[in-house]
Amino acid sequence: DIQMTQSPSSLSASVGDRVSITCRASQSISSYLNWYQQKPGKAPKLLIYAASSLQSGVPSRFSGSGSGTDFTLTISSLQPEDFATYYCQQSYSTPLYTFGQGTRLEIK
Amino acid sequence: QITLKESGPTLVKPTQTLTLTCSFSGFSLNTSGVGVGWIRQPPGKALEWLALIYWDDDKRYSPSLKTNLTITKDTSKNQVVLTMTNMDPVDTATYYCARATYSGSEYFDYWGQGTLVTVSS
Repeated sequence: DIQMTQSPSSLSASVGDRVSITCRASQSISSYLNWYQQKPGKAPKLLIYAASSLQSGVPSRFSGSGSGTDFTLTISSLQPEDFATYYCQQSYSTPLYTFGQGTRLEIK
Repeated sequence: QITLKESGPTLVKPTQTLTLTCSFSGFSLNTSGVGVGWIRQPPGKALEWLALIYWDDDKRYSPSLKTNLTITKDTSKNQVVLTMTNMDPVDTATYYCARATYSGSEYFDYWGQGTLVTVSS
């Protein structure tokens, strides 16, 4: 099974900061990597698919990069509504669509 | 407008079978490339993918849970049903259904609100 490891597990930052979250796959997954944002008590929301494609309606301050085993989600200038938990998910290896363990982004 | 909504019991006893229904609108499971999946999240923990059914009735299951899961679809009713046998307290979680689609990667672009299922005697 492919394992997805996110780092850091939690992160404190301020409004206006540039932040990056990393996701590493245990083997190459090409660009079959997606990013989701989840706020407390809410369903996850798709941000980025295929490693770097921005989902419709998602602000352009969110961007994704990487391929193979190493991927990054970057928020260029944090807004108050961005404080949430972020998950990566691989869809290279079926039948198992593995999620990372999540990165909690908190206000400093 | 695409919407999905999960329904089912909020409390089940250990060893019982859980049946959850995902009712959706705004898209068709007859459309090539479209699927509906189930994902769960224990309280305070990460997301875990469970099962997925495609427009052509192809079905995929989490290997670790495969023996306990069955996913079916009723295209005429726009519903997908997940059954999970032999429920255990560790299966207490919020269960989400989501639409799966493909564009360079397969991803879940629309999600239901989730339904919390508690397993307890």
